Amino acid sequence: DAKTTQPPSMDCAEGRAANLPCNHSTISGNEYVYWYRQIHSQGPQYIIHGLKNNETNEMASLIITEDRKSSTLILPHATLRDTAVYYCIVRVRSGAGSYQLTFGKGTKLSVIP
Amino acid sequence: NAGVTQTPKFQVLKTGQSMTLQCAQDMNHEYMSWYRQDPGMGLRLIHYSVGAGITDQGEVPNGYNVSRSTTEDFPLRLLSAAPSQTSVYFCASSPARSGANVLTFGAGSRLTVL
Repeated sequence: DAKTTQPPSMDCAEGRAANLPCNHSTISGNEYVYWYRQIHSQGPQYIIHGLKNNETNEMASLIITEDRKSSTLILPHATLRDTAVYYCIVRVRSGAGSYQLTFGKGTKLSVIP
Repeated sequence: NAGVTQTPKFQVLKTGQSMTLQCAQDMNHEYMSWYRQDPGMGLRLIHYSVGAGITDQGEVPNGYNVSRSTTEDFPLRLLSAAPSQTSVYFCASSPARSGANVLTFGAGSRLTVL
């Protein structure tokens, strides 16, 4: 299974771009990269996902390197409400044949006023 | 739409007691799953289901049972609660029968076993 590596914590000034890195050097060619976040003790929230092309939605942008071994989640203008734990996940196929998402410890992003 | 609804939000049990955590979704999602989250940790998959009548084990299934008699409901049963099962439990669903994709999570159920 592809595993991900994220820094345990990061700080970002309010209004600046937050760039959250993720390493997934063992990713296979058909495995997607997903990003979720968890604010305080709430249920995780889906942000974005991609395979090999860069993706953008109303919440964030996802930049995946050409060799797909790493990616960066970009929050273009971080606000205090973006303070959360951010999870980078590689979706893998389980032994039963269906896809699962395995959450690691993520990156604790603190947006500073 | 209510999304994913979990009940109860809080529960205290004594060791050896049994209980059921309820999860219901009104989005007609095929895939449903249960995760547990211990302090300072990520989420670990307990059980999942890709449709009514179909369930399978995740990473940490011991001590838990599930069933999926309808598309909407996916209850998690603790047969004989142990202090090690003190945790926050999250139910999640997604549209695809192929498994986890864009997951919608419930608000969580906080369980304490004394």
